[in-house]
Amino acid sequence: KNEVEQSPQNLTAQEGEFITINCSYSVGISALHWLQQHPGGGIVSLFMLSSGKKKHGRLIATINIQEKHSSLHITASHPRDSAVYICAVMDSNYQLIWGAGTKLIIKP
Amino acid sequence: DARVTQTPRHKVTEMGQEVTMRCQPILGHNTVFWYRQTMMQGLELLAYFRNRAPLDDSGMPKDRFSAEMPDATLATLKIQPSEPRDSAVYFCASGRWGPGANVLTFGAGSRLTVL
Repeated sequence: KNEVEQSPQNLTAQEGEFITINCSYSVGISALHWLQQHPGGGIVSLFMLSSGKKKHGRLIATINIQEKHSSLHITASHPRDSAVYICAVMDSNYQLIWGAGTKLIIKP
Repeated sequence: DARVTQTPRHKVTEMGQEVTMRCQPILGHNTVFWYRQTMMQGLELLAYFRNRAPLDDSGMPKDRFSAEMPDATLATLKIQPSEPRDSAVYFCASGRWGPGANVLTFGAGSRLTVL
């Protein structure tokens, strides 16, 4: 079993839909990252969470430490949100453990 | 905005040649990662440094890869000799962790093609 599990692996939605991507982990963590990578592009750090909730524009990230679960939400999704979204947790040794990523396609 | 700078952005070389990739982390960041991304393997951690000390390079093929951080402003990843299977995008990321300060920033990547 992978230490970081993301779901779904692939997600296709219509423009405007509310998007949720989930991340579950099994190790003790000091922080959790949500990252975005556009096709052929670089990696952008969206959020780093250790508790609670963060919001940036149309993106919201939440984490439940007790349940070892985090979600990334996109409100009013747009085709430019199409990308791979990656959850990565930082363990107590400052190592990043990556999820497999969720490929999101938003159709106009 | 502060950025992690990687050079070169693109490199095409022939098998057997030495390749050196450089990374300038963000000033004040105390941790530097080197990652490799391929279609087949996804993102793989090659090495990381904390306060310039190498903490983990278990993901790196030791016979041909080496990672160093000669000073706080420069991290290098060297491949000698390069092989076609090394073709990938190599990302450097720097971060800072501590009470109330958790930041991770990626460079734009160095795309390596070994012919």
